[in-house]
Amino acid sequence: DGGITQSPKYLFRKEGQNVTLSCEQNLNHDAMYWYRQDPGQGLRLIYYSQIVNDFQKGDIAEGYSVSREKKESFPLTVTSAQKNPTAFYLCASSISLGLAGGREQFFGPGTRLTVL
Amino acid sequence: AQKITQTQPGMFVQEKEAVTLDCTYDTSDPSYGLFWYKQPSSGEMIFLIYQGSYDQQNATEGRYSLNFQKARKSANLVISASQLGDSAMYFCAMREDPEGGGNKLTFGTGTQLKVEL
Repeated sequence: DGGITQSPKYLFRKEGQNVTLSCEQNLNHDAMYWYRQDPGQGLRLIYYSQIVNDFQKGDIAEGYSVSREKKESFPLTVTSAQKNPTAFYLCASSISLGLAGGREQFFGPGTRLTVL
Repeated sequence: AQKITQTQPGMFVQEKEAVTLDCTYDTSDPSYGLFWYKQPSSGEMIFLIYQGSYDQQNATEGRYSLNFQKARKSANLVISASQLGDSAMYFCAMREDPEGGGNKLTFGTGTQLKVEL
């Protein structure tokens, strides 16, 4: 089945440790995104990538880093510099920006990160 | 200023009734897109419906329709014949400058819908 996978579903880390969240898609989408969701809030964009080997900061990039070495993969690292990392993290992908249509984003199941 | 405003933190509706979830937006861009997503308790975001700023007709997808009032900058979601499985959080989102500025979405804070028997 085509879709987006994120693993693990739940992740626990000690304060001060870096942690990497995985995101893989087999939809052949060019663009990928990372969002953060806090309780009772909407989604906020952390980073996005429109093409392999290129990515841009979103609204809340501080304390996070990403890479896009393969079209299928867009891992997110939550560094120790992120002051409040406990949150629900959602990865998404969409078709190329140059094509017509709504270009809705398709989301993975999310990873709930808890920093102790 | 908030770009997307959802003023209803929570809504209740009886099964088989219709319900309207409100969304207003703020943009100076003539070209934009509006989306509605559903988030069940499992956490995954499910795309429901899309409305482009130049679309002449309101979007419809099965039991979902979007009441697009451009002059008022509102894009309300209407769910007809509510089902128990519609109980979830609903988010309105906007994409500005889709041709040049990327496909970034700005989300509202959501409306929690509860469908009752």
